[in-house]
Amino acid sequence: IAGITQAPTSQILAAGRRMTLRCTQDMRHNAMYWYRQDLGLGLRLIHYSNTAGTTGKGEVPDGYSVSRANTDDFPLTLASAVPSQTSVYFCASSDRGDGANVLTFGAGSRLTVL
Amino acid sequence: GQNIDQPTEMTATEGAIVQINCTYQTSGFNGLFWYQQHAGEAPTFLSYNVLDGLEEKGRFSSFLSRSKGYSYLLLKELQMKDSASYLCAVIPGDYKLSFGAGTTVTVRA
Repeated sequence: IAGITQAPTSQILAAGRRMTLRCTQDMRHNAMYWYRQDLGLGLRLIHYSNTAGTTGKGEVPDGYSVSRANTDDFPLTLASAVPSQTSVYFCASSDRGDGANVLTFGAGSRLTVL
Repeated sequence: GQNIDQPTEMTATEGAIVQINCTYQTSGFNGLFWYQQHAGEAPTFLSYNVLDGLEEKGRFSSFLSRSKGYSYLLLKELQMKDSASYLCAVIPGDYKLSFGAGTTVTVRA
């Protein structure tokens, strides 16, 4: 089934640890995104990539990094996790990066930082 | 930043109609999306408006007024499965899609 796969589904992490959330899509979409979703705040864009080899900062990029070595994969790394990074993380993709395209979302990764 | 407002919660009875309003103030405008998100699941696309007027798709309709910075999502003949969060998202001038906090709709029998 075509779509986006995220891993892990859920993770509890000690503060200060490094963590990488994985995201893979098989739709050959050019653009990929990472959002975090917190109660009362909605989805906020962390980082995005309009095409393989390029990345950009979203609304809340601090403490996170991404890479886009190929079309399919877009991992999100927390170099040193802090409790404020406790959230549900959604990876998404779209055919183009100009924003006027429907986003397809992964199932989400629930991260708890203690 | 962008400002997108929608009510936090709404409750309605099965078979009824509910209208979810969304107002926005953004730097430029290139369209507006509505997404549905069931609890614990990923958001899924419902509708897209870029021109003024009403877009109808089955039981769901979405309206846009660009001059008023206003949209609504209309859910007719409510069913229990329509209990979910509904997210309004605006494409501003820089094309970085911006989401509202979402409206949780509870459908009662």
